[in-house]
Amino acid sequence: QQQVKQSPQSLIVQKGGISIINCAYENTAFDYFPWYQQFPGKGPALLIAIRPDVSEKKEGRFTISFNKSAKQFSLHIMDSQPGDSATYFCAASDSGYALNFGKGTSLLVTP
Amino acid sequence: EAGVTQFPSHSVIEKGQTVTLRCDPISGHDNLYWYRRVMGKEIKFLLHFVKESKQDESGMPNNRFLAERTGGTYSTLKVQPAELEDSGVYFCASSRFGETQYFGPGTRLLVL
Repeated sequence: QQQVKQSPQSLIVQKGGISIINCAYENTAFDYFPWYQQFPGKGPALLIAIRPDVSEKKEGRFTISFNKSAKQFSLHIMDSQPGDSATYFCAASDSGYALNFGKGTSLLVTP
Repeated sequence: EAGVTQFPSHSVIEKGQTVTLRCDPISGHDNLYWYRRVMGKEIKFLLHFVKESKQDESGMPNNRFLAERTGGTYSTLKVQPAELEDSGVYFCASSRFGETQYFGPGTRLLVL
């Protein structure tokens, strides 16, 4: 049973646009929600993470929005750049250790 | 600081053979994790070491998989005998404490 559901599976955005990726979870024990970015041939790399005591966290062009009541969280990439083209994974954990990943979103930012 | 390294980067074996994957974590990281991504599916947690002890092995699919972490340093994941459904990318990650996990590039395993 998949613990974290991620959408869309793929996304094409023009340079300068906003990329939005959504995730939903069921387990209310989850208390750590990271987003990972993966480039071809590389392993996932932590991009940004949030805990449920805040509704939003921003780091540069990347923002996580978190809705505890809806059990949803999303990644917004502002002013998307071709270099942002990668696969993005949301994840959740109730311990800070074992991560439960979404299936990933392949983002392509066109020039 | 060197990152997490994994060996081999690719492995092609026949069904029934044995394969051993190796992971070298970042120096000083007591926590080591194994994950697997089967094509089209999500990255799934396999197990978690704290130093040389298995803290959580709830994700190990069956007893054909054996993970060890010698002396709390590098770790190996052995699949014996390999089955077709074991094909996928095996990731290793490490962390000093919880939360921020640093992933290696993965080992791509193909079982024919």
